[in-house]
Amino acid sequence: NAGVTQTPKFRVLKTGQSMTLLCAQDMNHEYMYWYRQDPGMGLRLIHYSVGEGTTAKGEVPDGYNVSRLKKQNFLLGLESAAPSQTSVYFCASRDTGGNTEAFFGQGTRLTVV
Amino acid sequence: KNQVEQSPQSLIILEGKNCTLQCNYTVSPFSNLRWYKQDTGRGPVSLTIMTFSENTKSNGRYTATLDADTKQSSLHITASQLSDSASYICVVYYTGGGNKLTFGTGTQLKVEL
Repeated sequence: NAGVTQTPKFRVLKTGQSMTLLCAQDMNHEYMYWYRQDPGMGLRLIHYSVGEGTTAKGEVPDGYNVSRLKKQNFLLGLESAAPSQTSVYFCASRDTGGNTEAFFGQGTRLTVV
Repeated sequence: KNQVEQSPQSLIILEGKNCTLQCNYTVSPFSNLRWYKQDTGRGPVSLTIMTFSENTKSNGRYTATLDADTKQSSLHITASQLSDSASYICVVYYTGGGNKLTFGTGTQLKVEL
């Protein structure tokens, strides 16, 4: 009963390096989201997807790209990491409908030095 | 602008005591409101959901209220336990524009002996 799984759990990057965060869900959910969580701030939406092959920008999309080639996977890419992208990243998924619960992964702690 | 504000920012109570957390929102059009619990180092987990027509809902020692007219919600925790120490996040779902969620910044609760 995996739910939402994020890979990796921790990562340290040097400024300018690139990386991809993987989110996988096994609940056949249509909607998937990437958030970042910073101290003193609520979760902020980076990008989201309402179905396989679709993506859309959220509140803070700059510096990130995403892809949803398969329904169960949602990838978040950082092309050239910056210290401002040091954060905890959460992936979430939920089924269609206005009242469905969002299920979250365990988070990825990213530090850019 | 859609906003969710929570108070207090942090709270310390003794084990066995009760407490109430507040959430005010300006999200429109409103779909429903959920309270999430986030343990340190983990992703948020849903505690309750409140739809437009519901005033009160309980889940064990947690009781949520909603006043859709004043756009306020509260989460009451009865007979607190050490395991209640966590961040409690108010999340408002709104319709339109990609089925996005708006997060409050959370109330950090610490229960002490």
